[in-house]
Amino acid sequence: GAGVSQSPSNKVTEKGKDVELRCDPISGHTALYWYRQRLGQGLEFLIYFQGNSAPDKSGLPSDRFSAERTGESVSTLTIQRTQQEDSAVYLCASSRERDYEQYFGPGTRLTVT
Amino acid sequence: DAKTTQPTSMDCAEGRAANLPCNHSTISGNEYVYWYRQIHSQGPQYIIHGLKNNETNEMASLIITEDRKSSTLILPHATLRDTAVYYCIVRVVPPSGYSTLTFGKGTMLLVSP
Repeated sequence: GAGVSQSPSNKVTEKGKDVELRCDPISGHTALYWYRQRLGQGLEFLIYFQGNSAPDKSGLPSDRFSAERTGESVSTLTIQRTQQEDSAVYLCASSRERDYEQYFGPGTRLTVT
Repeated sequence: DAKTTQPTSMDCAEGRAANLPCNHSTISGNEYVYWYRQIHSQGPQYIIHGLKNNETNEMASLIITEDRKSSTLILPHATLRDTAVYYCIVRVVPPSGYSTLTFGKGTMLLVSP
């Protein structure tokens, strides 16, 4: 079946602009995660959504970052007033309820100039 | 979650078995061993996980030592497409079934013709 999809695949933006990244999880997956991966680094957890529960926002690096999810479907990650240090690959993953395997999308490569 | 130690890089000839080691000497009794990989410019991909017993699936085998302080991921017949960074993670899976992933530097496996 279809995997996790993300759009856009690449985004170049000027410092100070807002960007919105989209994630379409696998149908039926109740959990959705956003991660960030800087060049040559490991994964950095940002936020996760679990069904209709309040999201775990503990990984968001600043109040410029926010995310929403509509039910158990699409999620958007918004970065306001982008900074150069926001440049990274933003990865989305989803998993089934009580399933420990997270399935990742291809990521969005964000470059802030 | 317990820390893991992996070699920085390994080479393997195409068609041969690739054996990737991981040390996790501080693993606790309720922590699982997980393996993910990340092919260049793609999102991470789940490979396999285990608690105590050896595990096998269509991608790989996982051998966990009796004291659980180390494990080996085995790709029985490596192909060029197996060239990737392989991440060994130990993590507790909470009762809710959800937890985030934290990757270290991993092992860069290069499969050559």
